[in-house]
Amino acid sequence: QKEVEQNSGPLSVPEGAIASLNCTYSDRGSQSFFWYRQYSGKSPELIMFIYSNGDKEDGRFTAQLNKASQYVSLLIRDSQPSDSATYLCAVKRNSGYSTLTFGKGTMLLVSP
Amino acid sequence: DTEVTQTPKHLVMGMTNKKSLKCEQHMGHRAMYWYKQKAKKPPELMFVYSYEKLSINESVPSRFSPECPNSSLLNLHLHALQPEDSALYLCASSQGSGSSYEQYFGPGTRLTVT
Repeated sequence: QKEVEQNSGPLSVPEGAIASLNCTYSDRGSQSFFWYRQYSGKSPELIMFIYSNGDKEDGRFTAQLNKASQYVSLLIRDSQPSDSATYLCAVKRNSGYSTLTFGKGTMLLVSP
Repeated sequence: DTEVTQTPKHLVMGMTNKKSLKCEQHMGHRAMYWYKQKAKKPPELMFVYSYEKLSINESVPSRFSPECPNSSLLNLHLHALQPEDSALYLCASSQGSGSSYEQYFGPGTRLTVT
């Protein structure tokens, strides 16, 4: 069974700190990796995607992928209270009709 | 622009009603999706349309009936729903259905079945 595992949290960090969100996956055929942010009562918003091993940076966000360890992470630098949300890790395997497999999400709380 | 729109935002319906949810995107995406999300759970895939054809049905009960009238529109027809079907219904789209395409979600329809 293909699984994506995340710590449910909450992960609490002070404003200005680096928040580190982690995700592991079991399917070695996973090809693409996505991070969605979801505020309470709202829909998921795509914030990062990564396809190759290494780091990918976009503003305050850095996605890190290690396919050998089957591990993907999201770093949020200079965390703000507005970053408080649930972060969903999702993966796709390499196939014709490739669907997202979601983790259960990690709740992040950034305190002022 | 990565906008997917959904109507209505909220819907309350009785168990004997028939209603429809609508989704629209103008990004030229060729794959569209319906998800159901319950509180504190991740989205759960229901249907996938690729090039206007139903390609995946995740064993969804027949009281949910999807329709893709054209490449920009996706409907979900609802009939004889149960209270446990109350959830946030999300539409998403992507450029294609392969692994290298990102999915973008609409704002969702909050459905309450009474």
